[in-house]
Amino acid sequence: AQSVTQPDIHITVSEGASLELRCNYSYGATPYLFWYVQSPGQGLQLLLKYFSGDTLVQGIKGFEAEFKRSQSSFNLRKPSVHWSDAAEYFCAVGPGDTDKLIFGTGTRLQVFP
Amino acid sequence: DGGITQSPKYLFRKEGQNVTLSCEQNLNHDAMYWYRQDPGQGLRLIYYSQIVNDFQKGDIAEGYSVSREKKESFPLTVTSAQKNPTAFYLCASRSDSWGNEQFFGPGTRLTVL
Repeated sequence: AQSVTQPDIHITVSEGASLELRCNYSYGATPYLFWYVQSPGQGLQLLLKYFSGDTLVQGIKGFEAEFKRSQSSFNLRKPSVHWSDAAEYFCAVGPGDTDKLIFGTGTRLQVFP
Repeated sequence: DGGITQSPKYLFRKEGQNVTLSCEQNLNHDAMYWYRQDPGQGLRLIYYSQIVNDFQKGDIAEGYSVSREKKESFPLTVTSAQKNPTAFYLCASRSDSWGNEQFFGPGTRLTVL
């Protein structure tokens, strides 16, 4: 079955520290992978996506993610976190059956000054 | 500016009442989606539509209904049959290009009193 796992429900980091959010997927074919960010009470904004090619992809707001097929992972990274990065982050894989996206349960990031 | 609008932002309803959530997009996208978001459960797909006058049930369609009479609009009705309707509802759309990401609206928070 197709699925996405985000093992960390809640992560806390200090401002300026590096960040890595984990995402593992189960998918029968070459996946399309996405990371979205959601501020409280808001919709989701796309950070980056991977379809093919270079396995290290750059996104907005200084984020990057690396696709590792052997590990079925697509971890999100940022070298130096800013207080404004505090939000919830969702990993998604697609296309699912008939064009659907499958979302992980999210990781809530808290940033301390 | 192109985008997705959802209205209202906050909605209160009494038990036993039907209520309709609005979703409009001016991105000229073919596919539209409705998700429900509950704390700790990520996004769950309610209904989706890949073309006008056609829609399919998602993973949690019971107690909900939709219509797709226009490309721009995909309203969601939460009926009295939905046992636990209090949640955050997100609408999304996607262009016809294969693998493209979904764009999300700002969401509607529905509270049943």
